[in-house]
Amino acid sequence: GQNIDQPTEMTATEGAIVQINCTYQTSGFNGLFWYQQHAGEAPTFLSYNVLDGLEEKGRFSSFLSRSKGYSYLLLKELQMKDSASYLCAVEADDYKLSFGAGTTVTVRA
Amino acid sequence: IAGITQAPTSQILAAGRRMTLRCTQDMRHNAMYWYRQDLGLGLRLIHYSNTAGTTGKGEVPDGYSVSRANTDDFPLTLASAVPSQTSVYFCASSRTSGDYNEQFFGPGTRLTVL
Repeated sequence: GQNIDQPTEMTATEGAIVQINCTYQTSGFNGLFWYQQHAGEAPTFLSYNVLDGLEEKGRFSSFLSRSKGYSYLLLKELQMKDSASYLCAVEADDYKLSFGAGTTVTVRA
Repeated sequence: IAGITQAPTSQILAAGRRMTLRCTQDMRHNAMYWYRQDLGLGLRLIHYSNTAGTTGKGEVPDGYSVSRANTDDFPLTLASAVPSQTSVYFCASSRTSGDYNEQFFGPGTRLTVL
């Protein structure tokens, strides 16, 4: 099976930076996705990495190292609305995603 | 319809009953998926379909069946519900071409089996 690990919870202060790590061991690799999910809502797409390096999208950045089976999502200038779960997912087989259990981020004032 | 819809929003069901969760998308995506989400376990793939007329088993298919008669619809059926199928069910869809194929999720169905 696929193994995708990420921390269960993180807490940070408004305006700060938080880094959510994700490590994976999968049978294949076609890319890594990050999704955001607010409580009671559907997941929404944040970022995609398939090559090593950093992808930046406004306040959010995602990094990938394929050789280390490692990714992180960096959230900068945290806002209260960033309180949510962040899901790491690997496309190990064509079009199918395997998800980690998610990291719940709580932003404090 | 805009995007992907699911029905019902929530349902309480007696054990042993049959139930079909509905999912419809209007984005003309080839691929569709059903997940269940349980606390501490994340999203787990139940069944998928890469194109109309084909389906495949995901990580946790037992007790569930799907059909894909056309591009837009992908119903999930529980033939005889059991309490362990209490969960939040998400349907998703994606393209199967392009640089990457993000999945778009429906709003979910909260199912309780008593």
